[in-house]
Amino acid sequence: GNSVTQMEGPVTLSEEAFLTINCTYTATGYPSLFWYVQYPGEGLQLLLKATKADDKGSNKGFEATYRKETTSFHLEKGSVQVSDSAVYFCALSDPGGSNYKLTFGKGTLLTVNP
Amino acid sequence: GAGVSQSPRYKVAKRGQDVALRCDPISGHVSLFWYQQALGQGPEFLTYFQNEAQLDKSGLPSDRFFAERPEGSVSTLKIQRTQQEDSAVYLCASSLVVTSGRPSYNEQFFGPGTRLTVL
Repeated sequence: GNSVTQMEGPVTLSEEAFLTINCTYTATGYPSLFWYVQYPGEGLQLLLKATKADDKGSNKGFEATYRKETTSFHLEKGSVQVSDSAVYFCALSDPGGSNYKLTFGKGTLLTVNP
Repeated sequence: GAGVSQSPRYKVAKRGQDVALRCDPISGHVSLFWYQQALGQGPEFLTYFQNEAQLDKSGLPSDRFFAERPEGSVSTLKIQRTQQEDSAVYLCASSLVVTSGRPSYNEQFFGPGTRLTVL
């Protein structure tokens, strides 16, 4: 079955540090890949997406590139802010007939200190 | 504009009680999803509706779980005879576009969730 593995947290960084959160996936076809973010007390929000190999998703300074050869979709940001503190989830959509299903990783808690 | 809303936000139930969790999707959204998120885990798919039709309920963990969306808008997730392992956050999401058999992307908009604690 489909699965998503993302790096264990928590991750604690100082403001303006570089961020990488690793994500790898297992799927039988060609899934779409997503990063969702959950700020404290709020619902999941889509951060960025990529729908095919070599696509780069980007939003709010975050980037992730769909790497089919390494089945990865690592999240990066060059300079984090305190306001980026949240839980980040990597996810894929089922590439089969049920392409609406999202399969999530366990989430990575990011804390950015001033 | 209004997003996906869920009620109640918090629910405490004694083991064996029945509970009902409500989801109000974004107006006009055709697709509605329920996910279960255990503590420290990512959300796991429970069930999917397209309008009032429940097209996939493969993720429901047992026959104690039942979901409905009778008029194609508001949805209710019901859990009968709750057990401690049902304690989790239940997330509802909706999306605008009807998915087809071809791979396609449709953003799912999530509600804040209902945190269920079964004592």
